[in-house]
Order: sequence, then structure tokens, then C-alpha cells
Amino acid sequence: EIVLTQSPATLSLSPGDRATLSCWASQSVTIYLAWYQQKPGQAPRLLIYDSSNRATGIPARFSGSGSGTDFTLTISSLEPEDFAVYYCQQRSNWPPTFGQGTRLEMK
Amino acid sequence: EVQLVESGGGLVKPGGSLRLSCAASGLTISNAWMSWVRQAPGKGLEWVGRIKSKADGGTTEYAAPVKGRFTFSKDDSQNTLYLQMNGLQTEDTAVYYCNTGGDFRGTFGHYWGQGTLVTVSS
Repeated sequence: EIVLTQSPATLSLSPGDRATLSCWASQSVTIYLAWYQQKPGQAPRLLIYDSSNRATGIPARFSGSGSGTDFTLTISSLEPEDFAVYYCQQRSNWPPTFGQGTRLEMK
Repeated sequence: EVQLVESGGGLVKPGGSLRLSCAASGLTISNAWMSWVRQAPGKGLEWVGRIKSKADGGTTEYAAPVKGRFTFSKDDSQNTLYLQMNGLQTEDTAVYYCNTGGDFRGTFGHYWGQGTLVTVSS
């Protein structure tokens, strides 16, 4: 199965900062990569699908890029509600797999 | 608006069985790709299995840790997806979420339920 590795494990930033989260795949997933946000006690929320498409209702400060094995989620200017855990997920091969997550915490 | 509501979780002994339900509104489950994803306490996300839309063959696939023990079924009249879990093990303890791509084919979770907790313990 395809292994997704996220970096960093924890990111400490302040509101207004720019956040850059990375996800590497053990083999090419072409563009079939998504990003989710999860807050404590809540279900994951889809932010980005197919590498760079924002899901319905997602603010423009969230953007995704990459193809093949290297992907990035960028949050251009952090809002207080953005502090959460972020997961990448591929659907190129069965089974779909998730990265281990990046915790975005407030400095 | 698509809504998914899971139910059926609870405490079960090792070796026991449980059936989870995922009631959908705002979409017709036979026309959508539906999946179950689980999250063990304090851990990351793990895909359990999926069922494709009827138009894409309606086939099911399961992740290796649950293959042969877990089974999907659907009641189209109730617009509800079920996850039958047999031979439960302590490592199956998790919050179980159903999700769907809605109008999108493929296995991304555009819509998620709130989850239901399954605890396997003696």
C-alpha cells in the first residue's frame, strides 16, 4: 500500500502567519490527493481534493499543490479556527491511505 | 444538503458482533460511492472499506485488517448503509465514520457523519 508521510508532525504558528504543510507519497499518486482538517471530537472535513481543488465552502486562504509524490497544503493567513490536525489522503491505489497528520498549534 | 447519521456503536466483547448503520439524506446511496473510515482513540484515520455506486458496479472492497470479518450491505428503501462487524478484536476499538463523495466518483470523503464509537473489551 502507498505510505503517506506528513511533515512536520507539529507546527507552531500565530494567527496571521502563513502555514505550509507537506505530504510525501511512497509512490506516485498522480493528482489523487486530498487534505482534511480535523478538530477534537469532530469528523474530518474535506478541504482540498485532486491536489488543488477546494471543496465546497472552503475559504480561499486554503490552497493545495503538487503532483506525483510531493504535495503541499498552504494556509495563507491563519485564522484562530484553523488550529487543528491536518491529514492528507490518497485514492490512487486501493486501499486509500492517510498520512499520520500534522498538528497545527497556536504559538 | 447531504447528511449522514451513524448509529449502532457500543461496547462488545472480543469475538462478538455489531452492526453499524449510516442513514443518508440529501443523496441516494445507490448512486454514490460510500465508505467507512475508523479512528482508534488518539490515533489517525484508517479506511475500512467502500462500496461503489450502482452505476460503477456496486462492488465492495475492504482493507486487509477487516477483510473476511466486516461486510457492507445497503437498504435502498431506507437509504441506509450498514457495516456488519463480526469476530471483533480489541484493535477494532475506534470511532467509525461513514462518508461519501456525493456526486463525485472515487474515494474522497466530501461528506462525513459524526461517527459512532465501538469499544471491544472484555
